Amino acid sequence: GENVEQHPSTLSVQEGDSAVIKCTYSDSASNYFPWYKQELGKRPQLIIDIRSNVGEKKDQRIAVTLNKTAKHFSLHITETQPEDSAVYFCAASPSDYKLSFGAGTTVTVRA
Amino acid sequence: DVKVTQSSRYLVKRTGEKVFLECVQDMDHENMFWYRQDPGLGLRLIYFSYDVKMKEKGDIPEGYSVSREKKERFSLILESASTNQTSMYLCASSPRWAEQFFGPGTRLTVL
Repeated sequence: GENVEQHPSTLSVQEGDSAVIKCTYSDSASNYFPWYKQELGKRPQLIIDIRSNVGEKKDQRIAVTLNKTAKHFSLHITETQPEDSAVYFCAASPSDYKLSFGAGTTVTVRA
Repeated sequence: DVKVTQSSRYLVKRTGEKVFLECVQDMDHENMFWYRQDPGLGLRLIYFSYDVKMKEKGDIPEGYSVSREKKERFSLILESASTNQTSMYLCASSPRWAEQFFGPGTRLTVL
């Protein structure tokens, strides 16, 4: 099955700096790559996703890049703010239904 | 707004008990999922269902079963709870090929 690896497991950044989280996947058939954010005590929520027919997608301070040849994708958060502190999960979809998730990255934004 | 609800936020059971976790979604989604979330392991798929009465095993189905008698409801059953099933359980639903919407989670403790 699909195996998604996510790095780093923890990330501490100064407010205003950028944060980058990287994921690799194993199944070349995967073609949908969402990112979820989970604040403390809350449910995961989709923040951005990308499909394999594009290489980059941006939504305000958040961007995702995809390199299908190398089988990796990344989340970039610019101008980080305290409310960006959360656990972020990447995922890859090798089929119509299933998502395989990475282990998560705990991001802490220092004021 | 999509609403996914779970029957309990917190549950404490004894080893050997039969445990039912229920999930209900109100958006007529075809797909429903059960995950367990453990620190450092991300979200691991237990079972999913792509239609009423249809189910497929996820990555960690051992010790669990599911039931989907109605489209809006997906139940996770622990036939004989064990201490290693102490975890956070998250339900999700989605239309085909799209964002998964998560419930608030059930924190299950097995003593």
